[in-house]
Amino acid sequence: GESVGLHLPTLSVQEGDNSIINCAYSNSASDYFIWYKQESGKGPQFIIDIRSNMDKRQGQRVTVLLNKTVKHLSLQIAATQPGDSAVYFCAENMNRDDKIIFGKGTRLHILP
Amino acid sequence: DSGVTQTPKHLITATGQRVTLRCSPRSGDLSVYWYQQSLDQGLQFLIQYYNGEERAKGNILERFSAQQFPDLHSELNLSSLELGDSALYFCASSVALASTGTGELFFGEGSRLTVL
Repeated sequence: GESVGLHLPTLSVQEGDNSIINCAYSNSASDYFIWYKQESGKGPQFIIDIRSNMDKRQGQRVTVLLNKTVKHLSLQIAATQPGDSAVYFCAENMNRDDKIIFGKGTRLHILP
Repeated sequence: DSGVTQTPKHLITATGQRVTLRCSPRSGDLSVYWYQQSLDQGLQFLIQYYNGEERAKGNILERFSAQQFPDLHSELNLSSLELGDSALYFCASSVALASTGTGELFFGEGSRLTVL
């Protein structure tokens, strides 16, 4: 069915370390993936996206990796900062329609 | 500020009642999405409109309906409200369709609905 799941609900990372947030998707027809960040009391905010014809895409301090073989997506945040504390959602879309389906989210805690 | 405006920000009502949530998308955005976020839950896709037409539907209850008007603002109507409908309802807009353009959605700050 339509589901985008996450391996861990909470991730605690030391400030300055790299964070890796994982996401498993079940729909092999999905071909477009997006990461969103939701800070407390706010709406989600777009971070980065990747289409299925790519394995890796880099942004500012963030990298998204896509492994279509095992239907796995990850978001890497370099040099994690206190401002990175948020819930991170992966979302998926199938090219044949316009639904953007979100997973349950991973809460990222930054340890001082 | 994402440029997406949702009203009201907070709403408290009783079971059995009907409410309307309003969304004004970013200027120029033709696509509007509605999501429901319950406590400790992810974002559940409800429905999506593009330039006034319904484009995609999620697991939206029959008690819920939505529309997008010619000026592109959208309304989500929730009727016969139940306790379980208490949630944060988000509207998001985008300039294009995810299938042909981008999945970059701009979210409003949400409307928090409490059903007592």
